[in-house]
Amino acid sequence: AQSVTQLGSHVSVSEGALVLLRCNYSSSVPPYLFWYVQYPNQGLQLLLKYTSAATLVKGINGFEAEFKKSETSFHLTKPSAHMSDAAEYFCAVSGTDKLIFGTGTRLQVFP
Amino acid sequence: KAGVTQTPRYLIKTRGQQVTLSCSPISGHRSVSWYQQTPGQGLQFLFEYFSETQRNKGNFPGRFSGRQFSNSRSEMNVSTLELGDSALYLCASSLGQARSYEQYFGPGTRLTVT
Repeated sequence: AQSVTQLGSHVSVSEGALVLLRCNYSSSVPPYLFWYVQYPNQGLQLLLKYTSAATLVKGINGFEAEFKKSETSFHLTKPSAHMSDAAEYFCAVSGTDKLIFGTGTRLQVFP
Repeated sequence: KAGVTQTPRYLIKTRGQQVTLSCSPISGHRSVSWYQQTPGQGLQFLFEYFSETQRNKGNFPGRFSGRQFSNSRSEMNVSTLELGDSALYLCASSLGQARSYEQYFGPGTRLTVT
């Protein structure tokens, strides 16, 4: 069965610094990988989706993620953090019959 | 296009009562999924409905049930509420099966059981 692991439940960065949120999936190659963001008191919003068309996926708000089969990873990055990026981020992988979410990483951005 | 709406947004119930939550998907979306979100357990999949049929079910007791109507609107019901049912309940809709298509989430219903 597919599974997904997000390393680090909390990540703190300074405004303008690189954002790196880690996600690893189980070894069998999933057809789809997703990153979602949840702002306080809101539902989840799709950031980007991997569909095997390209290993580097660009999403909204300047985020991108790179699919690395050899490392079974799909890490989320943003070159320069903004205060408005503070939120919780979820990685998700398509299982055989449902979408499986990671436990989430809360991103804090300090001025 | 209007987004996913959930009603009510906030709800306070007493142990032993039952509750019904409602979700209206984006127009044209046929799949509706429900999730329970708590600080301790994170996002837990409850069930998915597609064209009025339950396609998948998560590992929750039978007290949790749902249904989908012909207009794709969905409801979930929790009977005999327990303190541990306090959570944010999120509904998401998608064009097709949730595992393959982008899901669009509603703002959630915050349920507090006292």
